[in-house]
Amino acid sequence: DAGVTQSPTHLIKTRGQHVTLRCSPISGHKSVSWYQQVLGQGPQFIFQYYEKEERGRGNFPDRFSARQFPNYSSELNVNALLLGDSALYLCASSRTVSGANVLTFGAGSRLTVL
Amino acid sequence: RKEVEQDPGPFNVPEGATVAFNCTYSNSASQSFFWYRQDCRKEPKLLMSVYSSGNEDGRFTAQLNRASQYISLLIRDSKLSDSATYLCVVSGGATNKLIFGTGTLLAVQP
Repeated sequence: DAGVTQSPTHLIKTRGQHVTLRCSPISGHKSVSWYQQVLGQGPQFIFQYYEKEERGRGNFPDRFSARQFPNYSSELNVNALLLGDSALYLCASSRTVSGANVLTFGAGSRLTVL
Repeated sequence: RKEVEQDPGPFNVPEGATVAFNCTYSNSASQSFFWYRQDCRKEPKLLMSVYSSGNEDGRFTAQLNRASQYISLLIRDSKLSDSATYLCVVSGGATNKLIFGTGTLLAVQP
């Protein structure tokens, strides 16, 4: 079975541009979460979606948005990119949002903002 | 104060050594606790869940002290392949939103 897949794996943008990152969860998983990991730090929670509805949002500006599609895949959008948005963006999936469900992470999308 | 605090290391140990990592968390309502392992430029992967009674998986032992809000990971007989960043992770309440520490870097030397 395929794990969590993310695309693109690497991308370079310039300040002010917009980026869209994509995630396909493990088959049967209905919840997708997004995390940002800046170099030298642990991942920070951005969003959680379940059954196409936002179930949680971290402390990120409105430039960050996301959505989940009927097939449970998800997109993370970041507008007006800043240098500080350079990070590894991780998507994780689980069957539900229950605390009993362990998250499985994808390999991430590494964003560099110049 | 950070929600999850870890010593960032690095911990440089010889093969065969025993090494312990500690972690504290601030939210007493936290309900689930984990150790994740992250190799350089890779995604985090679940190493083990941590239970109040303590749990062991081969060379790895995890313990939780709810009263002190403290989590530990013990690695016995360290292998070169154990070299990685170990992330202390907490989730709370009804959802599986994860709160990560900054990670502790372990380098096992031959």
